[in-house]
Parts: sequence; structure tokens; C-alpha cells
Amino acid sequence: KAGVTQTPRYLIKTRGQQVTLSCSPISGHRSVSWYQQTPGQGLQFLFEYFSETQRNKGNFPGRFSGRQFSNSRSEMNVSTLELGDSALYLCASSPGQHGYTFGSGTRLTVV
Amino acid sequence: AQSVTQPDIHITVSEGASLELRCNYSYGATPYLFWYVQSPGQGLQLLLKYFSGDTLVQGIKGFEAEFKRSQSSFNLRKPSVHWSDAAEYFCAVVPYSGGGADGLTFGKGTHLIIQP
Repeated sequence: KAGVTQTPRYLIKTRGQQVTLSCSPISGHRSVSWYQQTPGQGLQFLFEYFSETQRNKGNFPGRFSGRQFSNSRSEMNVSTLELGDSALYLCASSPGQHGYTFGSGTRLTVV
Repeated sequence: AQSVTQPDIHITVSEGASLELRCNYSYGATPYLFWYVQSPGQGLQLLLKYFSGDTLVQGIKGFEAEFKRSQSSFNLRKPSVHWSDAAEYFCAVVPYSGGGADGLTFGKGTHLIIQP
């Protein structure tokens, strides 16, 4: 059974640009959630999608958005990048709240 | 709002010695509880989880954790650590009633160092 796949693994972007990250969940999992990990703030919840609907969102500005497709794959987008957006972005796939499987993450560096 | 506290930022243990990592949570009801491990540059790997029932849960890699409702704690233990256990360990909770919509709330993590 394939795990959670996040692409790309690494990204370097310039301030002001936008970026799109992708997450393919485990087959059959309909819930995908996103997290930002930084040394200062730790792991923080961004948002959660289930069957193409965003059910919950963490305390992040509107520059952070996401979507989920009918095949459960999810993308997150960050517009107008700031230096502080540099982080490891993790995606988690779940069949429900009984277990969350994480991908290896996308390391975003904003310069 | 729920919160998770991992009081120890760093812990150093000799190889072969026992280990206990502390986790306390603050929440109105008993949430679902998890321990994850992260190696440098990698994602999070689930070690074990607690939903209900037996308060002592067994996980992978020889880890176990004990849920103590009276202390709002979910401490992780291992009887004998190996050098490969060096990593960052995170305790996390999610509301029981959220239906999966609420994200995990994580502690700040404990960095485990293994001395030869």
C-alpha cells in the first residue's frame, strides 16, 4: 500500500511569488490535513479537507489556501510569499480521526 | 483551547538505558492521543495511539505509553534505547468529538540524544 506522497520535496521561491504544493493520500483515505513546521512555532495545523470540502482551518492568513480533488489528492497554495513562510509543510492522510499518516513533507525556502 | 505540553526540550540517555518522555495535555474531555517520531528532514511516523480501553498501549519499535486521566498525561516509555532512537518525539491530541475535522494539536517536541 503506497504511503502519502508529497511533491516536490524541496522548493526555493522568491518573496512575493506564489507556490503550490501537492499531496496524494493513501488510497481510500478521504481526509487530508496540512501542517506547517517551523523551528519557532513548531507544528501548526493549517486546514483539513474531506470529500473536497474544507472542514476546518487553523489560524493562518488568507494567503494560505487549499483544495481537494475528487480523487482525494490535495493541493495547498501560498500567495505573496514572505520570508516567514519558509518551513516544512507536512500533509497527513486519514480514513477518520483514528489515525493520521504523514508524508515526508515539502521543504519550502523563501529568499 | 486544547494544548499539549512536553516539558523536556532535550533529553540525553545512554544506549541501553530506559527512557521516559513526558506529555501533558489540557482539554475538557479525553481526546485521542498520539506519539510521533521525526528523524531529521523527514515526516512524522506514528509510534502509538490511545483512543479508549486499556490505558497502557504498545507501539512500534518497542515503545509503550500510559494514559493517566487523573494527571492528564500520556508518557512515552522504552525499557532499553538504541542509538537509532535518536530523533525528535512529538505528543499530539485531537478532540474526541471532532469527527476528524479538527487538526492535531502538537507539543513542541522532545529532542532525544543517545550517548554511546
